[in-house]
Amino acid sequence: DAGITQSPRYKITETGRQVTLMCHQTWSHSYMFWYRQDLGHGLRLIYYSAAADITDKGEVPDGYVVSRSKTENFPLTLESATRSQTSVYFCATGQGALSYEQYFGPGTRLTVT
Amino acid sequence: AQSVTQPDIHITVSEGASLELRCNYSYGATPYLFWYVQSPGQGLQLLLKYFSGDTLVQGIKGFEAEFKRSQSSFNLRKPSVHWSDAAEYFCAVGARGYSTLTFGKGTMLLVSP
Repeated sequence: DAGITQSPRYKITETGRQVTLMCHQTWSHSYMFWYRQDLGHGLRLIYYSAAADITDKGEVPDGYVVSRSKTENFPLTLESATRSQTSVYFCATGQGALSYEQYFGPGTRLTVT
Repeated sequence: AQSVTQPDIHITVSEGASLELRCNYSYGATPYLFWYVQSPGQGLQLLLKYFSGDTLVQGIKGFEAEFKRSQSSFNLRKPSVHWSDAAEYFCAVGARGYSTLTFGKGTMLLVSP
């Protein structure tokens, strides 16, 4: 049971390029989340999704786009990457409703040069 | 909106000594409280959670936490620290009716021999 996977695990890209980070889960959890982790800021929520085709902004959504056509996938796209988007990105899932706990993927380390 | 403060950025504890990591939250009603641990290069793993009931909750790896409403705190404790406990610890708060969590900025635990 793979649970939650993220790909790629490491990515280097150039300023202005589009890059997509993938998140896949095998649990059929209704909720999925994208966070970024930066030194001194902890974890900040970028976007989240309550179900397929339902997404909502988090604390720091600017510069990011998400979609969720299938329950199991929740890609995060940086439309035009900037150096300030250099970070570690975590995907998480949650069962929603009565369960508020979240389960995290291994993360993607993104460097924008 | 809820918020979380972890006052200590770094804590160093000798192996075998007891540990207490502090967490203070701000929320008007009864919060849902969580502690997560992140080992280097890994995603976050849930240690324990508080929703209601007994204010002393037990988690994995010998950790426990106590919810104190009067102090708006949810401190994490362990009676005897092992070198493998060295990691970053995050406190998080959620609320009934809200699907997202707010994380503190984390406390890095260093364990000295």
